[in-house]
Amino acid sequence: KNEVEQSPQNLTAQEGEFITINCSYSVGISALHWLQQHPGGGIVSLFMLSSGKKKHGRLIATINIQEKHSSLHITASHPRDSAVYICAVPYSGGGADGLTFGKGTHLIIQP
Amino acid sequence: NAGVTQTPKFQVLKTGQSMTLQCAQDMNHEYMSWYRQDPGMGLRLIHYSVGAGITDQGEVPNGYNVSRSTTEDFPLRLLSAAPSQTSVYFCASSYMGSSGNTIYFGEGSWLTVV
Repeated sequence: KNEVEQSPQNLTAQEGEFITINCSYSVGISALHWLQQHPGGGIVSLFMLSSGKKKHGRLIATINIQEKHSSLHITASHPRDSAVYICAVPYSGGGADGLTFGKGTHLIIQP
Repeated sequence: NAGVTQTPKFQVLKTGQSMTLQCAQDMNHEYMSWYRQDPGMGLRLIHYSVGAGITDQGEVPNGYNVSRSTTEDFPLRLLSAAPSQTSVYFCASSYMGSSGNTIYFGEGSWLTVV
C-alpha cells in the first residue's frame, strides 16, 4: 500500500502570504491528486498531475516523480482559501484500485 | 449534470441495524469507490468497482458490502451497524481508475451509530 505523508498538518497565515503544502509518497505512481475540503465536508479536485507543474488561478501544483514528492502552492493567499488540502495517490501505485490519502493540511488564512 | 449524488446526507442507526448508503453518478464513469473519513485518520478506501458487475475490497472493507449492477449506481450496505462505523462516508467516481483521471466526490453521508 502506498503511504502518504503531508506537511504541515496545520498552517495559519496572514492574507497575502505565499503558502506551500508538501506531500511525499512511498510507491511510484502515474498520477497524484490534490483535493480541497471546505467546512461542511464537500471535497473537490484541484489538480491531477503526473509530471511537472500545473497552474490554476493562484494555485500551483508541482510533482517530482523521481523524488516521490509534490507541492501545492497558493500565491496571494485569501481568507476564502481557508480549507483542508489533501494529497492523494493510487492505493498501490497502479491506479485501478482507488486512492490513499494524506491526513490533510488544515489551512487558515487570517485577514 | 448532477455529478455524484449520495443519500441520505445524515443518518442515525442503532447498533445491529442494517442500512444502505446510496450513490449514483450521471457521468457514465466506469470507476466508483467508497471512502470513510474519521478524525485524525484521513480518508480510507472501503470498496471500489471498475465497472458493472466488478467490485473489490479496499483498505477497510469489514462490515460493509457493495454491488454494482449498473454503471450509474454503487450502493454501500452496512450489514449490522457498530459504533465503530460512525463516520462520514464519501462516494467518488472517475472515468477510469485513479491514474490520469479527475475524480469526483459526492457531498458525503454523516452516519452515527448509537
